Amino acid sequence: SQQGEEDPQALSIQEGENATMNCSYKTSINNLQWYRQNSGRGLVHLILIRSNEREKHSGRLRVTLDTSKKSSSLLITASRAADTASYFCATDRGSGNTPLVFGKGTRLSVIA
Amino acid sequence: DADVTQTPRNRITKTGKRIMLECSQTKGHDRMYWYRQDPGLGLQLIYYSFDVKDINKGEISDGYSVSRQAQAKFSLSLESAIPNQTALYFCATSDPRPGGEQFFGPGTRLTVL
Repeated sequence: SQQGEEDPQALSIQEGENATMNCSYKTSINNLQWYRQNSGRGLVHLILIRSNEREKHSGRLRVTLDTSKKSSSLLITASRAADTASYFCATDRGSGNTPLVFGKGTRLSVIA
Repeated sequence: DADVTQTPRNRITKTGKRIMLECSQTKGHDRMYWYRQDPGLGLQLIYYSFDVKDINKGEISDGYSVSRQAQAKFSLSLESAIPNQTALYFCATSDPRPGGEQFFGPGTRLTVL
């Protein structure tokens, strides 16, 4: 079963607006990662947040983690048409010896 | 050059044929993975290998087999392809640190007629 579930499944916004995507997971984790996938291409790592961190920034990306609610959010500020992609969260299920489990993703469309 | 390469990039085959998808990585990582992605869905893990002598089944290993020929090479085989194996297949690699970032190949689009 999926460990991480993203919400919403799809999101359409205007260029310049902020985009927020959420991820919920089921078991305890050591860390949570966000990946981006341009249409039909391989996933690219965006950012990792550890279980003892609450917020992390990387350029226009801001990730939060609430371990009590087993949820994370990815905020993309001042979105651009080039941000159009699918975004996936991935969790480690609390062990470094198990593969990451990916959610189904949020499809973001940024309209110029 | 890309860190993770996959061949072929596209393949059309017929039901019952044996197909091999190949993956090579230059990251020097021990861990390698094969995923399948169906339209609108996330990644499903087929097999993974944490070192050359280690092979593990993932969520959907039925109908697939793998071979870890070397640290840098991990191939996926469909012994007798069927139409519902039509999908996008990704290979990935990571280092063994907990939560190590995964590096993905460009994918192989497989169509089984």
